[in-house]
Amino acid sequence: KAGVTQTPRYLIKTRGQQVTLSCSPISGHRSVSWYQQTPGQGLQFLFEYFSETQRNKGNFPGRFSGRQFSNSRSEMNVSTLELGDSALYLCASRAETGYTFGSGTRLTVV
Amino acid sequence: GIQVEQSPPDLILQEGANSTLRCNFSDSVNNLQWFHQNPWGQLINLFYIPSGTKQNGRLSATTVATERYSLLYISSSQTTDSGVYFCAVGDYKLSFGAGTTVTVRA
Repeated sequence: KAGVTQTPRYLIKTRGQQVTLSCSPISGHRSVSWYQQTPGQGLQFLFEYFSETQRNKGNFPGRFSGRQFSNSRSEMNVSTLELGDSALYLCASRAETGYTFGSGTRLTVV
Repeated sequence: GIQVEQSPPDLILQEGANSTLRCNFSDSVNNLQWFHQNPWGQLINLFYIPSGTKQNGRLSATTVATERYSLLYISSSQTTDSGVYFCAVGDYKLSFGAGTTVTVRA
């Protein structure tokens, strides 16, 4: 059974640009959530999607958005990138026995 | 939101030693997980343990939900156990502790 797949693994963007990250959950899992990890703030919840609907949202500005497709794959978009958006972005899919995380996308904003 | 506190923040062990990591949380939860973050950043699920005790090889965990804490035990530590261990709680969103950085020396 394939795990949670995130692409790309690494990304370098310039301040002001936008970026889209992708996450494919474990087959059959309908819940996908996103987290940001930075040295200063630790791991913080961004949002969660279930059956194409955003069910929960963390305390992040509107520049951070996401969506989920009918096949449960999810994308996260960050517009007008700031230096502080440099982070490891982790996606997780959820089953009854908890969350499974992908390998993450490491975003560097220069 | 739920507050999660992990202790100690750092732990240095000699190979073969045993250790206990603690996680305190501020509210009742239906989901508690322990993760190990590998050097590449991936969070590896160690235990899904909202209550009770589980064991997996040299690792075991106990959650006392009524007293709002969980313990992760590492026995006969190996250098490959090094890394950051996170406790996370929550149902539709996880609240993470700040982690315990474990360094096992040969």
